[in-house]
Amino acid sequence: DTGVSQDPRHKITKRGQNVTFRCDPISEHNRLYWYRQTLGQGPEFLTYFQNEAQLEKSRLLSDRFSAERPKGSFSTLEIQRTEQGDSAMYLCASSLEGQGRTEAFFGQGTRLTVV
Amino acid sequence: AQTVTQSQPEMSVQEAETVTLSCTYDTSESDYYLFWYKQPPSRQMILVIRQEAYKQQNATENRFSVNFQKAAKSFSLKISDSQLGDAAMYFCAYRSALGGKLIFGQGTELSVKP
Repeated sequence: DTGVSQDPRHKITKRGQNVTFRCDPISEHNRLYWYRQTLGQGPEFLTYFQNEAQLEKSRLLSDRFSAERPKGSFSTLEIQRTEQGDSAMYLCASSLEGQGRTEAFFGQGTRLTVV
Repeated sequence: AQTVTQSQPEMSVQEAETVTLSCTYDTSESDYYLFWYKQPPSRQMILVIRQEAYKQQNATENRFSVNFQKAAKSFSLKISDSQLGDAAMYFCAYRSALGGKLIFGQGTELSVKP
């Protein structure tokens, strides 16, 4: 198992464009999380899924953001009409919940730059 | 709402010495988990150590140990025999026993001097 994989690693886009990021979790993990991290700050929670169900969304997640996990495996995070304030590192993490397990494994992130 | 505070933006330690990173949190819950994550430059975040709130015994992982003071809502990380590879951002994080999301502090950047 290669761990949590995110694609692309870097994305530069013009303001107003739509972007989509992909996350492939560790294969047997039932939970998948999205976080956003700006420079010098800790990650901020955006949303998470248990299997294909989206269980929680942060108030940070505006209507321009949407996430899916259609078959309970990989997930996509789409940002529509990007703004300069969307520039950040987007982190994906996965975990196997149950039997007292709580550890989340993180991917390397997708760095988004909106110009 | 739960919050996590790391009051030391930067710390420095001499190689082979011991350093302690501070973390405080606020919650009204009684059952939760606390974590320390390490984020090296341009690399992914990895778990260093985990503490269950219902356990009184402080967690230890090799050179890493925590001082968990539940009443004071304090969760510090001690790194013994510091190594150059310990240089990274360290994040303290809280997770409710009922939920899945992690709530992170602002981070402490640790540098290790040879």
